[in-house]
Amino acid sequence: QKEVEQNSGPLSVPEGAIASLNCTYSDRGSQSFFWYRQYSGKSPELIMFIYSNGDKEDGRFTAQLNKASQYVSLLIRDSQPSDSATYLCAVTLSGNTGKLIFGQGTTLQVKP
Amino acid sequence: DTGVSQNPRHKITKRGQNVTFRCDPISEHNRLYWYRQTLGQGPEFLTYFQNEAQLEKSRLLSDRFSAERPKGSFSTLEIQRTEQGDSAMYLCASSALGETQYFGPGTRLLVL
Repeated sequence: QKEVEQNSGPLSVPEGAIASLNCTYSDRGSQSFFWYRQYSGKSPELIMFIYSNGDKEDGRFTAQLNKASQYVSLLIRDSQPSDSATYLCAVTLSGNTGKLIFGQGTTLQVKP
Repeated sequence: DTGVSQNPRHKITKRGQNVTFRCDPISEHNRLYWYRQTLGQGPEFLTYFQNEAQLEKSRLLSDRFSAERPKGSFSTLEIQRTEQGDSAMYLCASSALGETQYFGPGTRLLVL
């Protein structure tokens, strides 16, 4: 079992819709959870981080964390074609190294 | 530009040659990380430094790989006797202690 799992997609949504991206992780001691966006040929760009159970909102983005079920999700409201990218879920494991364990990413396509 | 910088951005080399990459982190970030990313996969952790000390190395980091951060500022990653399987994007990220990581633009390596 991979430490962090994501559906590779592609996930296709129409412009203006809500895109829902999911991620599960295996280490119950995982401490911090991150969503990065990566455009083709570019490096990952931080979108959001979440540490505590519940929801965290930032503009059109909402991160949701459920530690009991070991999943974290990212909702993108009013999706735009410019949101088309690969979304990487990453976690830091127990301990304090800070190293990120990434999922393989979900490709999102927002169609005009 | 106060972000993470990496040089070179692209490197093409022949199998068996040595290559060296440089990463300049965000000023005053004491943690520096190296990751490797192949097509269709999320970044994989290679190693990290806290100040000048290399505190963890992944099993992915074979004896052909060496990293340094001699003065706790910039870092270099050297690959000796390159193999075609080393072709990947090499990403550097930096963070303050316990904070989120910010990635540089990456160095894309192609081994012929």
